[in-house]
Amino acid sequence: NAGVTQTPKFQVLKTGQSMTLQCAQDMNHEYMSWYRQDPGMGLRLIHYSVGAGITDQGEVPNGYNVSRSTTEDFPLRLLSAAPSQTSVYFCASSYSPLPYYEQYFGPGTRLTVT
Amino acid sequence: QKEVEQDPGPLSVPEGAIVSLNCTYSNSAFQYFMWYRQYSRKGPELLMYTYSSGNKEDGRFTAQVDKSSKYISLFIRDSQPSDSATYLCAMSAAGGTSYGKLTFGQGTILTVHP
Repeated sequence: NAGVTQTPKFQVLKTGQSMTLQCAQDMNHEYMSWYRQDPGMGLRLIHYSVGAGITDQGEVPNGYNVSRSTTEDFPLRLLSAAPSQTSVYFCASSYSPLPYYEQYFGPGTRLTVT
Repeated sequence: QKEVEQDPGPLSVPEGAIVSLNCTYSNSAFQYFMWYRQYSRKGPELLMYTYSSGNKEDGRFTAQVDKSSKYISLFIRDSQPSDSATYLCAMSAAGGTSYGKLTFGQGTILTVHP
C-alpha cells in the first residue's frame, strides 16, 4: 500500500492564481480531511469528508473548496491564492471518523504564495 | 485564546534523559487525547491514544490525562537521538459532527543529543 499520497510536494503561486492540491489513499478509507500547518499554530482543519459525495467545513475553510467524487481521492482547490495561504498542507485519511481509528497523514505539500 | 496550548520549546536533552511534554486545554468536551510525532518535512504519525482520564504505557512512552485539570502529558523514558522530532498533542470531542475533527497544539520541538 502507498498509504496517503499528495502531489505536488512543493508549489509556488502568484497572488490570484488558482490550483488544486491532490490527495489519494489506497486503504479504502471513508474519512478524509485537509489540514494546514503554520508556525506557532499547529495543524488546523480546513475541510473534511465522511464518504464519497459528502464534505463539510472545518475550522479554516475560507478560500478553499473540496469535492469527493470517489473514495480514493480528495482534492483541495485554492480559488484565488493569497499570501495568507502560504503554508504546509496535509491530507489525512481514516477508516472511520471515530477517534479510536488512527488518522494517517500524507507527506504534505509546501505552498508559497507571492 | 487557543483551545489547546502547548509549549513550543525547543527542548534539548541528553541521550537517556526522561522527557516530559505537556498540553493544557480549555474545552471540557474533549474526551479523546492523542500524541503525534512529526519528523522534519514529514507528515505526523500517531504515537499514543488515550480515552478520558488515566495513564497509558507503550514501551518507553507513557501518556497521562488529567481531565479535572485539563492537562495531558507525554513522558519519554531513556530518550534516544531517534526521538528527535516535533511532538503534537491533539484532542477530539465525542458525538455527532465532532468525530474526526482533531484540535492540535502548536507542537514541541525535541532534540535528543548523543
